[in-house]
Amino acid sequence: NAGVTQTPKFQVLKTGQSMTLQCAQDMNHEYMSWYRQDPGMGLRLIHYSVGAGITDQGEVPNGYNVSRSTTEDFPLRLLSAAPSQTSVYFCASSYSITGSGAGELFFGEGSRLTVL
Amino acid sequence: AQSVAQPEDQVNVAEGNPLTVKCTYSVSGNPYLFWYVQYPNRGLQFLLKYITGDNLVKGSYGFEAEFNKSQTSFHLKKPSALVSDSALYFCAVRDGGGSTLGRLYFGRGTQLTVWP
Repeated sequence: NAGVTQTPKFQVLKTGQSMTLQCAQDMNHEYMSWYRQDPGMGLRLIHYSVGAGITDQGEVPNGYNVSRSTTEDFPLRLLSAAPSQTSVYFCASSYSITGSGAGELFFGEGSRLTVL
Repeated sequence: AQSVAQPEDQVNVAEGNPLTVKCTYSVSGNPYLFWYVQYPNRGLQFLLKYITGDNLVKGSYGFEAEFNKSQTSFHLKKPSALVSDSALYFCAVRDGGGSTLGRLYFGRGTQLTVWP
């Protein structure tokens, strides 16, 4: 199994450009999420999804869009990139939404984004 | 509101000595608590979790964590540190109810360095 796959691993954008970070998982997980990691800030939740067609906002959703058309894929779209969006982005999934398994996340390797 | 605090940005220990990485939490209701580890340029990996039951939880790579309800703490411990344990450690708490079911809140992380 590949687990959680993120592409691209590295990306440089100019201010105002748009792009999509891809995330795919092959574990049939219902729960998927996007985090950003910044030095001294830990991980902050951007958006999450509890199943195909269902998404919700996390702590820092502004400037990002998501959709969940299939169980496997959960792309993150930056609409108009800003330098404040320079960060490392992680996609994570879980086999359980409720109960004792919820919160046990499987992470991708990360996507490092620089906005100039 | 749910929150996690990791009071130490950095912990340094000698190989073979016991290590402790501290975590305190705030959550309404019963807490679901987690520890994750991140090696350089990698995604986070699940280490262990507390849901209910014994206050001492055992996890991967010889790590364990002690849940203390009265002190609202969930400290990560290992009896004998290895150089290979050097990494960034994150404590996390799960939001257990309502419309945010399944959301995970992370601390800012503690950098553990084990020297030979």
